Amino acid sequence: GAVVSQHPSWVICKSGTSVKIECRSLDFQATTMFWYRQFPKQSLMLMATSNEGSKATYEQGVEKDKFLINHASLTLSTLTVTSAHPEDSSFYICSAGGGGLNTEAFFGQGTRLTVV
Amino acid sequence: AQSVSQHNHHVILSEAASLELGCNYSYGGTVNLFWYVQYPGQHLQLLLKYFSGDPLVKGIKGFEAEFIKSKFSFNLRKPSVQWSDTAEYFCAVRRMNRDDKIIFGKGTRLHILP
Repeated sequence: GAVVSQHPSWVICKSGTSVKIECRSLDFQATTMFWYRQFPKQSLMLMATSNEGSKATYEQGVEKDKFLINHASLTLSTLTVTSAHPEDSSFYICSAGGGGLNTEAFFGQGTRLTVV
Repeated sequence: AQSVSQHNHHVILSEAASLELGCNYSYGGTVNLFWYVQYPGQHLQLLLKYFSGDPLVKGIKGFEAEFIKSKFSFNLRKPSVQWSDTAEYFCAVRRMNRDDKIIFGKGTRLHILP
């Protein structure tokens, strides 16, 4: 299957700082990428749909000013957690592809963010 | 409203037992259906998917799932589980003509006793 790579795999940051997470599709172009958040022992909650060349579409309840998404190329989307707080600590997962009928989504390995 | 329901949150089985994990969704239109597995410390992997055609789909590692449209269900099955099947299993649905996003169930944690 196609490969989606996330970087970093884990990051620890101080409260109040910003953290950028990258999601790359390595062997295919992705006009649409998705960002999920997974709390311990819970399911993946869709945060936003990242659209190449246009603004991201955020799910209800997700603060767009806090979780900045940029999808500047067909192989890269970034999620920046701004002014991070301990409650932002979570596992963030991106997926690429899967933006239409009968298409499969491929997932990155996830990024564990810990805010101290 | 919960779009994807997985009834079993935690399942414990012995090796060689048969497995069935339930998944129901609440959407009357066309859907794509998926089962993903997440082994400890690893990322999500696709087990199998249903797009159209034969409602009984076979996936990797001996897993299969049956789409029953009238019951809005897509249950995952395996006739004989192995210790290496210990993982978390997620059912997911894409609701076509609505938002095309893939929505996940809460997951089922499967623990196989050796």
